[in-house]
Amino acid sequence: KAGVTQTPRYLIKTRGQQVTLSCSPISGHRSVSWYQQTPGQGLQFLFEYFSETQRNKGNFPGRFSGRQFSNSRSEMNVSTLELGDSALYLCASSLRGEQFFGPGTRLTVL
Amino acid sequence: GQQVMQIPQYQHVQEGEDFTTYCNSSTTLSNIQWYKQRPGGHPVFLIQLVKSGEVKKQKRLTFQFGEAKKNSSLHITATQTTDVGTYFCADPSSNFGNEKLTFGTGTRLTIIP
Repeated sequence: KAGVTQTPRYLIKTRGQQVTLSCSPISGHRSVSWYQQTPGQGLQFLFEYFSETQRNKGNFPGRFSGRQFSNSRSEMNVSTLELGDSALYLCASSLRGEQFFGPGTRLTVL
Repeated sequence: GQQVMQIPQYQHVQEGEDFTTYCNSSTTLSNIQWYKQRPGGHPVFLIQLVKSGEVKKQKRLTFQFGEAKKNSSLHITATQTTDVGTYFCADPSSNFGNEKLTFGTGTRLTIIP
């Protein structure tokens, strides 16, 4: 089976712009979670979707949003980018508790 | 809120030496997971511990879950260069399953050949 894929792998944006990241889970996995990884804050949970519904949400501002499509693919959007949003954004799909992470999208905000 | 701390933050060992990382939670955990992230890579699931006092082994890796289910440890015997990376413990808490991970702060292991 193919693993979790994320696009794009690298992204450079400027402050105030918005960005959309995409995640395709492992076939058959219906849960997709998103995480932000930074050197200062570590790995932090953003949100989780299951069957197109947000089931869990972390402590991030409303600028961070996501959605899931009927084929389980997920997108996350960050609006009005700030310098502090520079991070590795990881998505993970899970079937029975074990999470499988994608390679991540490295976002740099200038 | 719930916090998961790991010590040490960094560990440098000679190849062949042992390595241990400790994970401590401010609250009682239902279960705990461990992940490894190689440099430039993404977290990879290693194991899940569920029972109080549980000990599980994977070749040179030994995982323990504390009796009070508030701490856990990962011990690597006779480290090899392939063990390089950051080891995270994670609390998989959610009303629906294990899909919301609260990660520990991580321990970065470097090996001196």
